[in-house]
Amino acid sequence: AQSVTQPDIHITVSEGASLELRCNYSYGATPYLFWYVQSPGQGLQLLLKYFSGDTLVQGIKGFEAEFKRSQSSFNLRKPSVHWSDAAEYFCAVGAANTGNQFYFGTGTSLTVIP
Amino acid sequence: NAGVTQTPKFRVLKTGQSMTLLCAQDMNHEYMYWYRQDPGMGLRLIHYSVGEGTTAKGEVPDGYNVSRLKKQNFLLGLESAAPSQTSVYFCASMDTEAFFGQGTRLTVV
Repeated sequence: AQSVTQPDIHITVSEGASLELRCNYSYGATPYLFWYVQSPGQGLQLLLKYFSGDTLVQGIKGFEAEFKRSQSSFNLRKPSVHWSDAAEYFCAVGAANTGNQFYFGTGTSLTVIP
Repeated sequence: NAGVTQTPKFRVLKTGQSMTLLCAQDMNHEYMYWYRQDPGMGLRLIHYSVGEGTTAKGEVPDGYNVSRLKKQNFLLGLESAAPSQTSVYFCASMDTEAFFGQGTRLTVV
């Protein structure tokens, strides 16, 4: 069965520090991978997505993620965190063009301290 | 371009009451999804649809029904609401990425 694991429930970083949020997946087919961000009381916004090709993908707001097939991982990174990055982050896996079920991890809550 | 619109945004129900949540998208997407979001549990898929007239069960379908009579609309129904259905409900439509509505906060008392 398909699944997505985000091992870190909550992370606190200092403003300006680097950030890495972990995501591991289990998927029978070649996965399509996504990172979404949710600010309090808001819907979800796409940060970046991976379908194929270059395993390092760039997203909005200075985020990037690297697909590592051997580790079944798709970790999200940012070199320097801003206070406005405080939010909930969700990793998701699916097969976008087949209508397969689109699965989310349980999320990682990010706190940014001055 | 409205994208994905959910109505209502807030609702309080009494146990046993019924209601329908409406999701409307104007992007001509085939795929639409209903999720519920609960603290510490992320988003869990309730039902989904791969096209007009089709629906399928997701991870947590019990207590919910759906219909996709028109391509642009995906309705989620609660026939007899229970307190366990208190949650925030999100609709999404999808082509190569999922576009989400702003959510419906439902409280069942």
